Amino acid sequence: SQQGEEDPQALSIQEGENATMNCSYKTSINNLQWYRQNSGRGLVHLILIRSNEREKHSGRLRVTLDTSKKSSSLLITASRAADTASYFCATAVSGSARQLTFGSGTQLTVLP
Amino acid sequence: NAGVTQTPKFQVLKTGQSMTLQCAQDMNHEYMSWYRQDPGMGLRLIHYSVGAGITDQGEVPNGYNVSRSTTEDFPLRLLSAAPSQTSVYFCASSYPGAFGYTFGSGTRLTVV
Repeated sequence: SQQGEEDPQALSIQEGENATMNCSYKTSINNLQWYRQNSGRGLVHLILIRSNEREKHSGRLRVTLDTSKKSSSLLITASRAADTASYFCATAVSGSARQLTFGSGTQLTVLP
Repeated sequence: NAGVTQTPKFQVLKTGQSMTLQCAQDMNHEYMSWYRQDPGMGLRLIHYSVGAGITDQGEVPNGYNVSRSTTEDFPLRLLSAAPSQTSVYFCASSYPGAFGYTFGSGTRLTVV
């Protein structure tokens, strides 16, 4: 079963616009992570937010976490064509931080 | 270069054959995991290890075996390949606790 579910499944925007992806999960978590996957490649870790954190920034990335709603969002500001990729959220469940459970991903296309 | 190395990158097997997917990391990570990714889906955990000599099952362990004799290596064995095991396999490693995982570039396996 998948813990995280991303929304939307696909997103197409123009270069320079902001992209927002959402993730919902079902059980209590230790932390939530976002990964990027370019076509045919492995996953790259972007950012991790702990369950006691509400917001985190890294460069053009902003992640929020609402544990009461069991949801997270990833905002990419001033998007570039190179941001075109699939984005996955992954949750580390409380008491079992060694395992990650991934959602099905959001395919982001940034048009030049 | 430091990272997670997976071999082979591509493999075609006949139904019933066995093989081992290799995974090695040089970052002294204690945690290692194997995932499979099927088209349009997120990653599903097959097996994981929290240190040398310690392994456990993930969400989809049937048909696969693992062992962890050293910190660096975590091979995945397919016992008797089936067409349902056609997938892309990713190995990943991490430090214990709230850290992101480093992923290998994947092994694309086709079982005919």
